[in-house]
Amino acid sequence: ETGVTQSPTHLIKTRGQQVTLRCSSQSGHNTVSWYQQALGQGPQFIFQYYREEENGRGNFPPRFSGLQFPNYSSELNVNALELDDSALYLCASSLGGARDTEAFFGQGTRLTVV
Amino acid sequence: AQRVTQPEKLLSVFKGAPVELKCNYSYSGSPELFWYVQYSRQRLQLLLRHISRESIKGFTADLNKGETSFHLKKPFAQEEDSAMYYCALSGRNTGFQKLVFGTGTRLLVSP
Repeated sequence: ETGVTQSPTHLIKTRGQQVTLRCSSQSGHNTVSWYQQALGQGPQFIFQYYREEENGRGNFPPRFSGLQFPNYSSELNVNALELDDSALYLCASSLGGARDTEAFFGQGTRLTVV
Repeated sequence: AQRVTQPEKLLSVFKGAPVELKCNYSYSGSPELFWYVQYSRQRLQLLLRHISRESIKGFTADLNKGETSFHLKKPFAQEEDSAMYYCALSGRNTGFQKLVFGTGTRLLVSP
């Protein structure tokens, strides 16, 4: 059984650019959630995908978008990058999206916007 | 609004001392509460959830709805407990799991 993997581990982008982050969910999991963790803060929910459909969204602007593929891997896309988008982006997978489900987290992608 | 408050950024104790990491929440319904832990150079992982009512690695947490708290306790801290601890809630009113995290407490257990 493989765990949640994210790529790349680190990324530096310029303000205004676009970025795509990738996540492979744990084997057997059909739900992926994305979180943004700014320095010194707890993770903040961006959105969740369940069986290739967006299942819920947090307070993030539309320039944050995502995809889930038939193999349940996922992408997070951020357009028109801003300096405040600099953060650790975490992907979490689970079996179903029930409220008491255990979420399995990846190691994260550290995005720096300059 | 859903909110989780962890008032202590850092908690430093000696090995063998009791530990209590505080967590208070704000939510109008009945939330699901969790403690997640991140050990050095490892990923965030579930430590325990209130629905399971279990003790993991000697840690317990009781949901107190009157005080809206979910404090994490361990009677005798070990050096390997040193880590970052996050309290999180997931509201029942949503049809999916949206975890709301606190800002975390770093636990440092000294020999």
